[in-house]
Amino acid sequence: EDQVTQSPEALRLQEGESSSLNCSYTVSGLRGLFWYRQDPGKGPEFLFTLYSAGEEKEKERLKATLTKKESFLHITAPKPEDSATYLCAVCFGNEKLTFGTGTRLTIIP
Amino acid sequence: EAQVTQNPRYLITVTGKKLTVTCSQNMNHEYMSWYRQDPGLGLRQIYYSMNVEVTDKGDVPEGYKVSRKEKRNFPLILESPSPNQTSLYFCASSYSYGPNTEAFFGQGTRLTVV
Repeated sequence: EDQVTQSPEALRLQEGESSSLNCSYTVSGLRGLFWYRQDPGKGPEFLFTLYSAGEEKEKERLKATLTKKESFLHITAPKPEDSATYLCAVCFGNEKLTFGTGTRLTIIP
Repeated sequence: EAQVTQNPRYLITVTGKKLTVTCSQNMNHEYMSWYRQDPGLGLRQIYYSMNVEVTDKGDVPEGYKVSRKEKRNFPLILESPSPNQTSLYFCASSYSYGPNTEAFFGQGTRLTVV
């Protein structure tokens, strides 16, 4: 069964303290990997799509990378406004999205 | 403004009382879907629609119905809600489906069935 696992479940960082979130998956024909941001009381908001190992994408303080078995969301010098839950979703051969359970990130001023 | 609109945002109902959650998008998207989000389980797809009059089951369709009579609307129907359907529901739309697609999500509907 195709699975998506995110770690850690929760992460607290001081403002400016860089770190990485992980999304690992068991593959049955990876077609694409998505990162979304979800703020409390809101729907997920699209951040990135990655398609092949070695690919990287950046947006402000966020950089997403992809290997054959996992993806990392690197957060450089985070600010309090980066606090949110970050969701990973994978599109497998059946072209449906399978979501992980998310990492709840808190940035402390 | 491009958006997906769900109503209501919050709903408390009793077991067995039929309800409908509406979803509308203004982006002329072909693909729409419904998810439920539960702690520790992530987002799970309930139903999806690839176009008008075309719907199919997702991963957790039991106890739900949908219809797609117009491209912009995709209501979720609970004919006889039960407490295990208490959850946070999201409607999403995209121009297509699969790996090249960015999904736009609504604000969510928090449903409590007592």
